[in-house]
Amino acid sequence: AQTVTQSQPEMSVQEAETVTLSCTYDTSESNYYLFWYKQPPSRQMILVIRQEAYKQQNATENRFSVNFQKAAKSFSLKISDSQLGDTAMYFCAFMKHSNFGNEKLTFGTGTRLTIIP
Amino acid sequence: EPEVTQTPSHQVTQMGQEVILRCVPISNHLYFYWYRQILGQKVEFLVSFYNNEISEKSEIFDDQFSVERPDGSNFTLKIRSTKLEDSAMYFCASSAGTGGGYTFGSGTRLTVV
Repeated sequence: AQTVTQSQPEMSVQEAETVTLSCTYDTSESNYYLFWYKQPPSRQMILVIRQEAYKQQNATENRFSVNFQKAAKSFSLKISDSQLGDTAMYFCAFMKHSNFGNEKLTFGTGTRLTIIP
Repeated sequence: EPEVTQTPSHQVTQMGQEVILRCVPISNHLYFYWYRQILGQKVEFLVSFYNNEISEKSEIFDDQFSVERPDGSNFTLKIRSTKLEDSAMYFCASSAGTGGGYTFGSGTRLTVV
């Protein structure tokens, strides 16, 4: 079974600063996917970024980037030039690869991020 | 951008009553899911559904729960006899397959009183 650990329950940062959210995971799978989801106060789950384990290059989506360290089983999210709209709960999630279709997502406990004006 | 639509957004029900939560997945997606989030806790997998049958279910998904895709567009979660501990946010999600990531609906907040 897979586990996902987010060791920072809460973080806060000044607007325009950079913040890094940590995530570690445990798995015996060699091929898998990792995700960061954002949950704003509206409670909607929004996909922020996705990483395929077989790709060494770190994924980037505009101001969001990841530091994927496969050997260390670490998958941190960096938010650059943080904005007030980034205030949300952030969940790290793991999915093992399947040739038969999508597998379930295993989530961490989340990090509540507050951007301070 | 295509959306996953969930109705209702909030439902209050008495303990012991049956509830049906409804979802309309993205039309060309093949895989459908229900997840649950008890307030302040992490998101937990309930069930996955493909080709009109359950692919996988968690230990949470006991005999009180069932899923159905009755008409090719809707995807429903039924809780037969609700308990207080079923109070949670229920998320429907769909995907096209092969690790592409899900699209989640905006959730149904279920309150059992």
